[in-house]
Amino acid sequence: GAGVSQSPRYKVTKRGQDVALRCDPISGHVSLYWYRQALGQGPEFLTYFNYEAQQDKSGLPNDRFSAERPEGSISTLTIQRTEQRDSAMYRCASSLVPREKTQYFGPGTRLLVL
Amino acid sequence: AQTVTQSQPEMSVQEAETVTLSCTYDTSESDYYLFWYKQPPSRQMILVIRQEAYKQQNATENRFSVNFQKAAKSFSLKISDSQLGDAAMYFCAYRSAGSNDMRFGAGTRLTVKP
Repeated sequence: GAGVSQSPRYKVTKRGQDVALRCDPISGHVSLYWYRQALGQGPEFLTYFNYEAQQDKSGLPNDRFSAERPEGSISTLTIQRTEQRDSAMYRCASSLVPREKTQYFGPGTRLLVL
Repeated sequence: AQTVTQSQPEMSVQEAETVTLSCTYDTSESDYYLFWYKQPPSRQMILVIRQEAYKQQNATENRFSVNFQKAAKSFSLKISDSQLGDAAMYFCAYRSAGSNDMRFGAGTRLTVKP
């Protein structure tokens, strides 16, 4: 595709529900990154994949957060038993190769947990 | 740990004039990249400009240029001939050449007055 796409763009859910956020990277990009951006802050790193392998998940805040990229393309970030503090913009980025200079960001999914 | 500091939460500039946004960072690495991203009201993350630490020459992209002072760990963005479309949040970001995650500052909100 022309750019990184994410869906849904907006998600409103009730506390305790599970949510799945999807990222479709730029075609051919090996590396995929997830970030979380709280209101009024810059993005914070969550996790990173090369192809289907999750290389680094040090930024995931707790075990309610998980991510997968089973076929090395589309990725899903899942938040189980959502809490109000999970409300944020969740951003995906991709790069052509690992440690390429520039990461290209998607439009983000804005999550609101009521 | 690397940190990125943007000390100006808000800046304002008159249309057609020049404005400089400040950014400092802290690192013990010698090989790294610095970025400025623009986040307009649509909340897209758009790469404005990139600087490699090993390059002495300051990066420029049309009306956007940086003043990279490696010894001082300073990386400011200059926007010349400001346009109404430049109004946005601007994030400074750092990435070590040996890592995958980007570290962002808290952002500077730029207002352009007609």
